[in-house]
Amino acid sequence: KQEVTQIPAALSVPEGENLVLNCSFTDSAIYNLQWFRQDPGKGLTSLLLIQSSQREQTSGRLNASLDKSSGRSTLYIAASQPGDSATYLCAVADSWGKLQFGAGTQVVVTP
Amino acid sequence: GAVVSQHPSWVICKSGTSVKIECRSLDFQATTMFWYRQFPKQSLMLMATSNEGSKATYEQGVEKDKFLINHASLTLSTLTVTSAHPEDSSFYICSARGLAPLGELFFGEGSRLTVL
Repeated sequence: KQEVTQIPAALSVPEGENLVLNCSFTDSAIYNLQWFRQDPGKGLTSLLLIQSSQREQTSGRLNASLDKSSGRSTLYIAASQPGDSATYLCAVADSWGKLQFGAGTQVVVTP
Repeated sequence: GAVVSQHPSWVICKSGTSVKIECRSLDFQATTMFWYRQFPKQSLMLMATSNEGSKATYEQGVEKDKFLINHASLTLSTLTVTSAHPEDSSFYICSARGLAPLGELFFGEGSRLTVL
């Protein structure tokens, strides 16, 4: 059974610092991996989608890497801003498209 | 990007009543929709997979008679919580995938259910 772990569970950084969020999964037979952002009491916003054949994806200040063989993905957020404060979730999809989510990393960026 | 709309965004009901939550894909046809529930400070747990025109596939431990799912069209799936109890209080989120095989999933804003 696929298990997805996110470390750390919570992270607080001053504005301007880079954020590094980690995601690991136990079964490397994934179809893709997706990073999401969730604000309190809200739904999910998709940030980046990495197909299993890809090594990384970039969007603006966000960069996500994927090492399928070692079961790891890392989300980098450059030059963090208070607006980046949220919970970040990673999820891996199997060949049926079902997502298995990690518990998330709660990020606080202080001004 | 693609938009998925959920309604209502929050609902309070009395124990024993039924509540229906709608999930609509606004600008694309969703052949598959997924329903999740999320308890406070926990991650999303998949409840069921809904394919248009066929019966939903429920995850282990999810009561299909309690959580009725209907996917009658390519843009609408509904989740009905029947005979709701306080332990059903949770945040319910749907996601939808378009016709492109195993592409990106788009999520609704979620519906918070509180059962008194």
